[in-house]
Amino acid sequence: EAGVVQSPRYKIIEKKQPVAFWCNPISGHNTLYWYLQNLGQGPELLIRYENEEAVDDSQLPKDRFSAERLKGVDSTLKIQPAELGDSAVYLCASSPGQGVYEQYFGPGTRLTVT
Amino acid sequence: DQQVKQNSPSLSVQEGRISILNCDYTNSMFDYFLWYKKYPAEGPTFLISISSIKDKNEDGRFTVFLNKSAKHLSLHIVPSQPGDSAVYFCAASSGGYQKVTFGIGTKLQVIP
Repeated sequence: EAGVVQSPRYKIIEKKQPVAFWCNPISGHNTLYWYLQNLGQGPELLIRYENEEAVDDSQLPKDRFSAERLKGVDSTLKIQPAELGDSAVYLCASSPGQGVYEQYFGPGTRLTVT
Repeated sequence: DQQVKQNSPSLSVQEGRISILNCDYTNSMFDYFLWYKKYPAEGPTFLISISSIKDKNEDGRFTVFLNKSAKHLSLHIVPSQPGDSAVYFCAASSGGYQKVTFGIGTKLQVIP
């Protein structure tokens, strides 16, 4: 069974530029998460999807961040414009839902904003 | 407000000995707890979990203990192996809602 796929793995951009991250969850997993992980910290939830619906986006900085999950499968997280403080690892995770707590994480995208 | 606390940033253990990683939580509504392991340049991997209705869950070399009155859980690894060297995250969830709150992690080094 293929795991959660994320691309790109690494991205370096200048501040004020846009950037997008892509995630393909495990097949059949209805719940999809985007996390932000700063150095030396644990993952922090940005947004959670149940199928196509964003059911928890309370931690997503909506002035510059946006996300979508078309057809309830793949998802894209976008930052526009990027700021220096956005440098971090962006993790995507998925889970089957229906009371299953365990989440399966992708390898993450390491973003560096210069 | 850090609801899940891992107060030891690092731990070194000799191969073959027991590793004990600790975690404290403040939110009494948490009813499900998980441990994840993370290697460099990889995403976290689910390791073991425990429901608040239990006080112990065991899976091979890994055992998680939960003390609800103290709001404390621990992960025991016996015997420790060099391949166990990684960052371990404690995480907690509540009420069936699938938002999971993570601690900052403890870096375990198992010395051969």
